[in-house]
Formats: sequence, C-alpha cells, structure tokens
Amino acid sequence: GAVVSQHPSRVICKSGTSVKIECRSLDFQATTMFWYRQFPKQSLMLMATSNEGSKATYEQGVEKDKFLINHASLTLSTLTVTSAHPEDSSFYICSAFKGQANTEAFFGQGTRLTVV
Amino acid sequence: GNSVTQMEGPVTLSEEAFLTINCTYTATGYPSLFWYVQYPGEGLQLLLKATKADDKGSNKGFEATYRKETTSFHLEKGSVQVSDSAVYFCALRGSGAGSYQLTFGKGTKLSVIP
Repeated sequence: GAVVSQHPSRVICKSGTSVKIECRSLDFQATTMFWYRQFPKQSLMLMATSNEGSKATYEQGVEKDKFLINHASLTLSTLTVTSAHPEDSSFYICSAFKGQANTEAFFGQGTRLTVV
Repeated sequence: GNSVTQMEGPVTLSEEAFLTINCTYTATGYPSLFWYVQYPGEGLQLLLKATKADDKGSNKGFEATYRKETTSFHLEKGSVQVSDSAVYFCALRGSGAGSYQLTFGKGTKLSVIP
C-alpha cells in the first residue's frame, strides 16, 4: 500500500530553537497533506492543511507564524516549529490522501517533539 | 459541523473476550466512516472503512457496519488478542466537494491481558 514517511520520529530541542519535521509520500503524489497534533491521551487535532504550491490553510487557533508549513513538491511537506517552547512538546502526525474522494488517508509514523 | 463521539476508555479485556467500541457521528450528507488503530509510539493505520449505508468494513477479525438510521459505526471483534492492545479512533470524512479532512473521535485505549 501507499506509504507516508515522517522524519524524524523523535527530536529533543532547546527552548527558542526551531525544529523541522518532514512528511513524504513515498510512492504517490499528494497535492494535499494534513498536519495533526496529538496531546497525551487525546485525539488528533488538525492543525493545518498543506497545499502544494500555495499557502497552507490553518485551523482556528493555530499560529501560522509559529508553525510554518511548506509544501514545495508533490511528495514533500514540512512543518517547522519556530522558537519552540516546552508547551509545544507533543506528538505531530502528517497524513495524505492518495487520490480523490473516498480514498483512504495514509499517516506518517509521527514525530515526538520534546522541548527542554 | 461534523463530529464523532466514541466511548471513552480505557477498556481492559481478557484474551479471547468479545470487544465492542461504540461510535456515533453527526454529519450532513453521506460521509465515509473509518476506524484507525494506533500502536504505542506510532502513527495511525487504517483498520477498516465503509463508504455508504449498510456497508460492513472488516479486517483482521474486526468488523463495523455503517448504520445511517442510528448514525453509528460500532467496532466489534469476536475474540481479542494481546496484540490488539492499542488506541482505536473512529473517524469520518465528509461527502462535500473537496472533503479531504478527517474528523476523529477522542480515541479508545484497549488493553488485552493474557
């Protein structure tokens, strides 16, 4: 089946630094990818929709200047957490649909970000 | 807007017990329904899906039937195994144009003990 690869799987960074997370669709082109954040023992919260070649669409309450999304190609979207703080520590997951309507979403393995 | 409500966990069962995780939804039109499974430290994997009323999705012994009259998509398995221990998410995808977004329930943690 289709594969979405996310890197890194774990990252620890210092407060104030920036961290980039990559999401790649390995065997299909994805014009749209999604970034989710998952808090401990909670569901996935959609942060933003990443559109190839255009600006991302952010959900209400998500700071676009803090969570920078770039979707420069049909197989790669990146999420950069800028000036990270401990409260940004979380599990971040990306997903992509392989085709059009009524197709399944494929998820990356997730990235555990810890800001110290 | 769309929403998904699933039973809160955690759920602890003995091996070979019967499993039911309830899921109900609110949506306009004819959404597609999904169950995803998340093993510790990993992303989500699609477990099964149903795209229209009365469809039954099944995989790895798990089943769920799309019930439009009760707006439900309950997950069932006749005999759980220790390896089924994970968090299960019910989700829906709207039927409108460009409906790529998934709406998730809060997840139900299942622990199966030997």
